[in-house]
Amino acid sequence: QSALTQPASVSGSPGQSITISCTGTSSDVGRYDYVSWFQQHPGQAPRLMIYDVSYRPSGVSNRFSGSKSGNTASLTISGLQAEDEADYYCSSYTTSSTRVFGGGTQLTVL
Amino acid sequence: EVQLVESGGGLVQPGGSLRLSCAASEFTFTSYDMNWVRQAPGKGLEWIAHISGNGRSIYYADSVKGRFTISRDNAKNSLSLQMKSLRAEDTAVYYCAAGWRSFDPWGQGTLVTVSS
Repeated sequence: QSALTQPASVSGSPGQSITISCTGTSSDVGRYDYVSWFQQHPGQAPRLMIYDVSYRPSGVSNRFSGSKSGNTASLTISGLQAEDEADYYCSSYTTSSTRVFGGGTQLTVL
Repeated sequence: EVQLVESGGGLVQPGGSLRLSCAASEFTFTSYDMNWVRQAPGKGLEWIAHISGNGRSIYYADSVKGRFTISRDNAKNSLSLQMKSLRAEDTAVYYCAAGWRSFDPWGQGTLVTVSS
């Protein structure tokens, strides 16, 4: 049950686009289209931003999008805003019927 | 509005036990698989346990297998996590979260501190 691999940090200026990667294996990310992305602001519970690789829950801005290629999933945030500054986590369902998270990525809006 | 509220956290000595609860409201609890996810201070999220809507399928992370037990009472719209043989590394905020392949919604979390 190894954690998915995410970059520790990414940054971008307001208005720019950034992409956060999430690398797993053929037993999780590469096997199922059940990758999710979560946003967490300090002191708050995580919030679902993307599910099933690329679907946005109601209420999530269309500036957030997800994709997957092979064992790597990606979250792209376009038109960066100050309020996007937060930690982002990916997760995936696995062949063991367990779930696994990435280590998290701290997004800084410059 | 769908709401999950955790309770039962606190300070416990190493080797001790604690039971967490998660109360659900404003959604059809039996229709949802449920999970416990924890976050150690300053660290990332860690999925630790999952239970199906009818309670028949249960899965654990290796880090808690044999020490933690997840259960649910659908009549009371309640989820529980019985924790025993607690270790310092179990110190974390524990969240309950709904879903079988994703997690939504989440509770606000309850802090468990394992220390002498």
